[in-house]
Amino acid sequence: SAVISQKPSRDICQRGTSLTIQCQVDSQVTMMFWYRQQPGQSLTLIATANQGSEATYESGFVIDKFPISRPNLTFSTLTVSNMSPEDSSIYLCSVEDQGGGHGYTFGSGTRLTVV
Amino acid sequence: GQQVMQIPQYQHVQEGEDFTTYCNSSTTLSNIQWYKQRPGGHPVFLIQLVKSGEVKKQKRLTFQFGEAKKNSSLHITATQTTDVGTYFCAGDVSPPGGSNYKLTFGKGTLLTVNP
Repeated sequence: SAVISQKPSRDICQRGTSLTIQCQVDSQVTMMFWYRQQPGQSLTLIATANQGSEATYESGFVIDKFPISRPNLTFSTLTVSNMSPEDSSIYLCSVEDQGGGHGYTFGSGTRLTVV
Repeated sequence: GQQVMQIPQYQHVQEGEDFTTYCNSSTTLSNIQWYKQRPGGHPVFLIQLVKSGEVKKQKRLTFQFGEAKKNSSLHITATQTTDVGTYFCAGDVSPPGGSNYKLTFGKGTLLTVNP
């Protein structure tokens, strides 16, 4: 299955600042997915990132707040902009494992605390 | 919108007891996937079910997909302390051949095992 390197693993940020999270995949993938997981909660899809096109955002998430880059088929970034304490969460990237029936592989997550 | 409901939210068992978590969707699913997330970890893919009425086993884990493809269950026989974690179901609601592929996660069931 795919291997994803996600960084940073955690960060503590001041409100009003921005943090960029990076995900590097060891194989080329068409779509990359960004999720948010608040402590003890389920995973909520933020957006789907396709190479060469703008990301598709889910209801409640906007590009100005969560800009995404997808410069090639192995890499993507998610920026959390103008952070507030409500943005404190775990952010995960994910890709579908190729071949069908193998589910999705997740990055190890970025634990963000906004103070 | 599409919802995937999962119960129970928490389950505490004695080691050796069985455990079951249930997942229900408001609409028919193309497939359903199950993930395990250890405390402090990221979700790890367990299995995917595609066919109506499908049953799959992985050692002590039994996964079922309902006949109507709207519900699923995960049953663990004789739990062990290594089974501790949160089990998520995730449904794919995209129509066959559709391009808007998206997983919707249940809220998860946190399993704790008393040794």
